[in-house]
Amino acid sequence: KQEVTQIPAALSVPEGENLVLNCSFTDSAIYNLQWFRQDPGKGLTSLLLIQSSQREQTSGRLNASLDKSSGRSTLYIAASQPGDSATYLCAVEGATNKLIFGTGTLLAVQP
Amino acid sequence: EPEVTQTPSHQVTQMGQEVILRCVPISNHLYFYWYRQILGQKVEFLVSFYNNEISEKSEIFDDQFSVERPDGSNFTLKIRSTKLEDSAMYFCASSEQGSPNQPQHFGDGTRLSIL
Repeated sequence: KQEVTQIPAALSVPEGENLVLNCSFTDSAIYNLQWFRQDPGKGLTSLLLIQSSQREQTSGRLNASLDKSSGRSTLYIAASQPGDSATYLCAVEGATNKLIFGTGTLLAVQP
Repeated sequence: EPEVTQTPSHQVTQMGQEVILRCVPISNHLYFYWYRQILGQKVEFLVSFYNNEISEKSEIFDDQFSVERPDGSNFTLKIRSTKLEDSAMYFCASSEQGSPNQPQHFGDGTRLSIL
């Protein structure tokens, strides 16, 4: 059974810092991995999707990497801003189209 | 940018009552999903729907739950007789195609409170 874990559970950094969020999964038989952002009381905004054959994806200040064999992904945020404060979720998708989510990392960027 | 819309944003219902949560997926999307998030817990998959039938459902999606695409635009989740433990945020999602390279797009959710 696929299990997805995210560490740390919470992170507080000063504005301008680069930071890394971690995601690990137990079953490497995935089709893709998605990173989402969730603002309080809001839905999930898709940030990046990495297919199983890819090693990384980039969008602006965000870079996500995937090491399928070791069951790990990282989300790198460069030059963090207070507007980046949110909960970041990773989710893996297997053969059945359903997403299995981690518990998330609550990020606070201090001005 | 097209988005998934959900109504209502907040639903308060007495235990035992039926509730219908509504979603309008992105117009050219073919795959539809419901997820839920109990306060403080992970987002959990409930059901996926394609070509007017359920593709997969989780253990949570028992006989009290049903989904329907009543017309070309709406996708609904019905809970027949609500229980206290059904209180959660319910998210609808849609994708253009199935795996592996199409992201699922989520709505803002409906917060369901069972009294």
